[in-house]
Amino acid sequence: DADVTQTPRNRITKTGKRIMLECSQTKGHDRMYWYRQDPGLGLRLIYYSFDVKDINKGEISDGYSVSRQAQAKFSLSLESAIPNQTALYFCATSVGDRLGETQYFGPGTRLLVL
Amino acid sequence: AQKVTQAQTEISVVEKEDVTLDCVYETRDTTYYLFWYKQPPSGELVFLIRRNSFDEQNEISGRYSWNFQKSTSSFNFTITASQVVDSAVYFCALSDRIQGAQKLVFGQGTRLTINP
Repeated sequence: DADVTQTPRNRITKTGKRIMLECSQTKGHDRMYWYRQDPGLGLRLIYYSFDVKDINKGEISDGYSVSRQAQAKFSLSLESAIPNQTALYFCATSVGDRLGETQYFGPGTRLLVL
Repeated sequence: AQKVTQAQTEISVVEKEDVTLDCVYETRDTTYYLFWYKQPPSGELVFLIRRNSFDEQNEISGRYSWNFQKSTSSFNFTITASQVVDSAVYFCALSDRIQGAQKLVFGQGTRLTINP
């Protein structure tokens, strides 16, 4: 089984709808992240969480909210979807070691907002 | 500010050729980490390597090798004897410290196509 899973893998929605993207991990990592990928822009950080009680905004958090329901679960919500939120969304987890930290990514969710 | 530049948007080579993907970075930190990720056509992001700024040894893993040069702020990735399965988008990334942990700053990616 995959260590980091995302549901749904693909989603089409309409402008103004509320949707939730879910991320689960079995790695036991404390830190979780949400990124979005747009063509030609690489990945950009939306939100990150160091543990269940610690959630922080990333560089492009406007229009998004998150919930860390448990150590293993981190959900991203679009309260009122708009077309420029069409993107590929990635969840990532990480843990540090004495030499640094590595992020491991889920398979991604392709979102189309019409 | 942290910045990663992958100047090559797309590269296309014939199978068995060697190919080098360039990555240049800017950082304010004295200690930092550099990464390469692979995104195959299926879309997932696969971790390839992490390099710490205090370790300038080059690394080789099978057909993959990485050349880290602090003096030129570069972390280039070479695939030797390329194969069709190497076709993917490759991202270089740089750590950015945030409140005791790190986020990643990504380059724009290089789309590599290996033709049979």
